[in-house]
Amino acid sequence: DTGVSQDPRHKITKRGQNVTFRCDPISEHNRLYWYRQTLGQGPEFLTYFQNEAQLEKSRLLSDRFSAERPKGSFSTLEIQRTEQGDSAMYLCASSLDGTGGGYTFGSGTRLTVV
Amino acid sequence: AQTVTQSQPEMSVQEAETVTLSCTYDTSESDYYLFWYKQPPSRQMILVIRQEAYKQQNATENRFSVNFQKAAKSFSLKISDSQLGDAAMYFCAYRRNFGNEKLTFGTGTRLTIIP
Repeated sequence: DTGVSQDPRHKITKRGQNVTFRCDPISEHNRLYWYRQTLGQGPEFLTYFQNEAQLEKSRLLSDRFSAERPKGSFSTLEIQRTEQGDSAMYLCASSLDGTGGGYTFGSGTRLTVV
Repeated sequence: AQTVTQSQPEMSVQEAETVTLSCTYDTSESDYYLFWYKQPPSRQMILVIRQEAYKQQNATENRFSVNFQKAAKSFSLKISDSQLGDAAMYFCAYRRNFGNEKLTFGTGTRLTIIP
């Protein structure tokens, strides 16, 4: 297991286009989190899954955002009709329920909306 | 709602010296964890050290140690014998120990190591 993988590393898109990011967590981790990080800020929580169930969504996650985790394995985060304000680093992290540890983060996907 | 505050946007330290990064937090809960994460320019967030709130003993990991003051809601990170590879953004983070175990992060401290 090589840790949490995110794809792509970079994405440049035109305003109004749809984009989809993928996250592959550590295989035995049942929790998966999405965060957004803008320049000079700490990561902000977007949503999380326990297995395949999406249990909480932040107010930051507008109707244009949707996340899925089919079969409790990889997860996708889709942004529809992108706006310039969506430009940020999107981080995925995973953890094992009840271990009390920190998360393992992926390297992130940097989205630039032009 | 929980908040985490890092009041030092930037810090610098001479190589081999000791530096302390500050963090305060606000919560009404009693069962939680605190973390320090390091984010080098390569971007991946790496866990440096964690502290469980019910443990009075301060956590240590090699050159990294914390000063956890629960009553004051303070959680500082001390880096001893600073090395060039310690240069990074450092984030303090909080999470409760039940329910949605999401991390709440501070705004970070950029640490520069002076050779």
